[in-house]
Amino acid sequence: EPEVTQTPSHQVTQMGQEVILRCVPISNHLYFYWYRQILGQKVEFLVSFYNNEISEKSEIFDDQFSVERPDGSNFTLKIRSTKLEDSAMYFCASRAGTGGNQPQHFGDGTRLSIL
Amino acid sequence: GQNIDQPTEMTATEGAIVQINCTYQTSGFNGLFWYQQHAGEAPTFLSYNVLDGLEEKGRFSSFLSRSKGYSYLLLKELQMKDSASYLCAVRDDADKLIFGTGTRLQVFP
Repeated sequence: EPEVTQTPSHQVTQMGQEVILRCVPISNHLYFYWYRQILGQKVEFLVSFYNNEISEKSEIFDDQFSVERPDGSNFTLKIRSTKLEDSAMYFCASRAGTGGNQPQHFGDGTRLSIL
Repeated sequence: GQNIDQPTEMTATEGAIVQINCTYQTSGFNGLFWYQQHAGEAPTFLSYNVLDGLEEKGRFSSFLSRSKGYSYLLLKELQMKDSASYLCAVRDDADKLIFGTGTRLQVFP
C-alpha cells in the first residue's frame, strides 16, 4: 500500500539553526499538510498546501515557517531560527483530490529536538 | 472556538467491547475521523463519518450524531495489539483536521 514517507526520522539541531523536514506524499495525492505533536499533547495543524500554494495556515505557522514543493514529489517544511519550543514530532500528511471522505494519510513523522 | 473532548484513558480486557466517546464543538464540520496512534508512530486512519448513523468496518464501528456533536468508536473482540491512542478529529470548512487529545486504551489479558 502506498504511504507517505518522511526524512529524517530524528533531527537534532542547535537553537537558532535552520532545519528542513522532508516528505514524499503519496504519488497521486493533491492536498498536502503539516501537523506537529508536542510530546504528550494533541496533534496540531500547521499548514495545508494545494496547487502549489498555501491553502490555510494556523497561528503557529508564522514567518519562521515556510513550505515548498520543489519538484513533483517532495514537500518540505523549513523552520528558520529554531527555538526550544519547536521541539516536537512533525507529521506530513496527504490526501487524494476526489471525494470529501478521502482521509488524510500520515507519514511516520520526524522527531525534532532543539538543544 | 474549537473544542474536541475525549476521555484521557480507558482500560479493557482482551475479547471485550469498548466504546470511546468524542464530543465536539467546531466552527465548521466536514466530517469526523477516527485515527489510531501507537506510541511514537503516525496516526493511522480507522473510520470516517459525515452523515448521522453507524459505519461498520470489521471489528471497528463509528457512530455520529451531528445534532448532538457526538461520536463514538466501538471496538469489538479486543486484541492486545489494540492498545494504542485513539484520536477523534473533525475536518473543518478549511479542510484541516482538528484533533482531540486522544484516548489511551490499554487492553489487558
